Amino acid sequence: GAVVSQHPSWVICKSGTSVKIECRSLDFQATTMFWYRQFPKQSLMLMATSNEGSKATYEQGVEKDKFLINHASLTLSTLTVTSAHPEDSSFYICSARVSGVNNSPLHFGNGTRLTVT
Amino acid sequence: GQQLNQSPQSMFIQEGEDVSMNCTSSSIFNTWLWYKQDPGEGPVLLIALYKAGELTSNGRLTAQFGITRKDSFLNISASIPSDVGIYFCAGLLGAQKLVFGQGTRLTINP
Repeated sequence: GAVVSQHPSWVICKSGTSVKIECRSLDFQATTMFWYRQFPKQSLMLMATSNEGSKATYEQGVEKDKFLINHASLTLSTLTVTSAHPEDSSFYICSARVSGVNNSPLHFGNGTRLTVT
Repeated sequence: GQQLNQSPQSMFIQEGEDVSMNCTSSSIFNTWLWYKQDPGEGPVLLIALYKAGELTSNGRLTAQFGITRKDSFLNISASIPSDVGIYFCAGLLGAQKLVFGQGTRLTINP
């Protein structure tokens, strides 16, 4: 089945540094990928929609200059948390849908736990 | 924004019991999905519902898409320890955007 791989699975960084998270579709192409954030004991909240070859679409309240998204190929999207602060500590999850297949469900990566100290 | 109301928020049951959880919305969704999330991992798709009134099973799991397209339920029969986790409903807006419910945390006593 469709597999979405996320890397790294966890990362600890210092305040003020930047962190890059990768999301890859391993056995399918995805023109669109999605980035979610999940705080402890809460639901998943959509941050942005990543579009291959064009700019990402951000949800209301999500700072595009802080959460940089690049979708350079049909199998890779990256999320860079710039100038990270402790309040950015969260579980970040990406998802993707098989391109060109009607009603293809979203497949999720295993998430990246970010801890900013 | 769009919201899905999922209940119950948590359940504590005995192994072997049946489980039922549901989601409602004030908005109409084209597709309803049910996911399970284990600690520290991403959600895994359990069941996808595409048509109003559709009833779909996946092993011991059964889910239905409400006639009004504003609700869905998930039933788990004869629960086992590996059913423990957080279950999320999700509604698809248009062709792309998923909106999640708050989740139901299932705990099973052996």
